[in-house]
This record gives sequence, C-alpha cells and structure tokens, in this order.
Amino acid sequence: DTEVTQTPKHLVMGMTNKKSLKCEQHMGHRAMYWYKQKAKKPPELMFVYSYEKLSINESVPSRFSPECPNSSLLNLHLHALQPEDSALYLCASSQGGLVNEQFFGPGTRLTVL
Amino acid sequence: SQQGEEDPQALSIQEGENATMNCSYKTSINNLQWYRQNSGRGLVHLILIRSNEREKHSGRLRVTLDTSKKSSSLLITASRAADTASYFCATDAGFQKLVFGTGTRLLVSP
Repeated sequence: DTEVTQTPKHLVMGMTNKKSLKCEQHMGHRAMYWYKQKAKKPPELMFVYSYEKLSINESVPSRFSPECPNSSLLNLHLHALQPEDSALYLCASSQGGLVNEQFFGPGTRLTVL
Repeated sequence: SQQGEEDPQALSIQEGENATMNCSYKTSINNLQWYRQNSGRGLVHLILIRSNEREKHSGRLRVTLDTSKKSSSLLITASRAADTASYFCATDAGFQKLVFGTGTRLLVSP
C-alpha cells in the first residue's frame, strides 16, 4: 500500500468550531508531515513528526494542534480558526533518515467562514 | 526566506513539444526533488537527484543539477495533455525539511 489517505476531502467550519483533520499511511514510514497550501503557492511546512514525536513546529499558531496517536496516524486539531486559515491542508509521509522522498495525500480543502 | 525560485511561473506549449523549467535555491543541499501537482490535489514525487549527481533520467524526464550555481532544471520531452500540472522543485538540506520552490504552471494543449 503506497497511499496516504486524508479525511475529510472538504471541510467548512465557523470560527468557533472545533474540527479535526485525519491522515493515515501504511507504508511503515516513520516521519509524517502537515503542510498548508494557499492557491497558486507552494506548500508551507507546518509540523513534522518523527517516530511519533513532534520534531518540527514551524511557529504555527496554537489554534492548530497536531497529534500522532501511532506510527500510521496523524491528526490536526483545529479550533478558533480565522478566515485566512482557509487553504488546502496536505499530509505527507516519508521513510525518514537521509533520503526524504515524501508521499502526499490528496489534501483537505478547508474553508473557514 | 529560504524558498527557491522557479521560472517560468507559467508555460504553455503544444503536445509533442518539450517543456523546460528551472529552479534556483539558496542553501547547500543533500538532494533536490521535483514534484507534480494536479489542480487542487496532492503532490506526486517525480525524481530525486543527489548533490553529487549532475544529471538523472526517468522516462520522459531529465533533471540536471548544478550545485555551483545552485540551480536545477527539469525537462519533460514529448509532452502530453496529461502533463498539465504545477511542478515544484524541493530542496532537502537535511533536518527532515523540504523547502519548495515557487512552482511552474504547465499547460499542454492538444
């Protein structure tokens, strides 16, 4: 299985809502990533988990809270978001180590009203 | 910003023609990767070239790397309508981070 899955595909939420994005991979990868991508821009790294531990937080606001329950799952908990947080949220995974080829999921299109 | 620059920003060609896109970056790297993204979807890894390699081929793709100039190019030969997508270079300087370039939007018309 060489696939990274993400749910939901689309999400609309109000600024007072709490929601979660989910990501799953079964490739035995030990590194997992969250990216944010605005239209016509490159992906921007948000968080990196390595061996289920948070290793990189790119100064992301606390209204985004990542969680890695096990080596196959990655969640992104959302709370009190702003309209400017509307974007495509991409999950990726990689073997880790020196060669960092990343496998991406299809993304969750988030709209904050 | 450490973000790489790509040019052109957009490229429009006919089927059968070759497409070349260029990437420049700012820091020393372990490797450089190219990804494709169809509209609004996830990225797909195309090819990886290590810092000690100068050229690499994969099917219709040819990638070059010039570490002295901190630049790379991606050539797609005999393009097809299905190649229509955005293409991003990404530099890997270690520390588990990829830094993506600004991207080239390629349109291949039948």
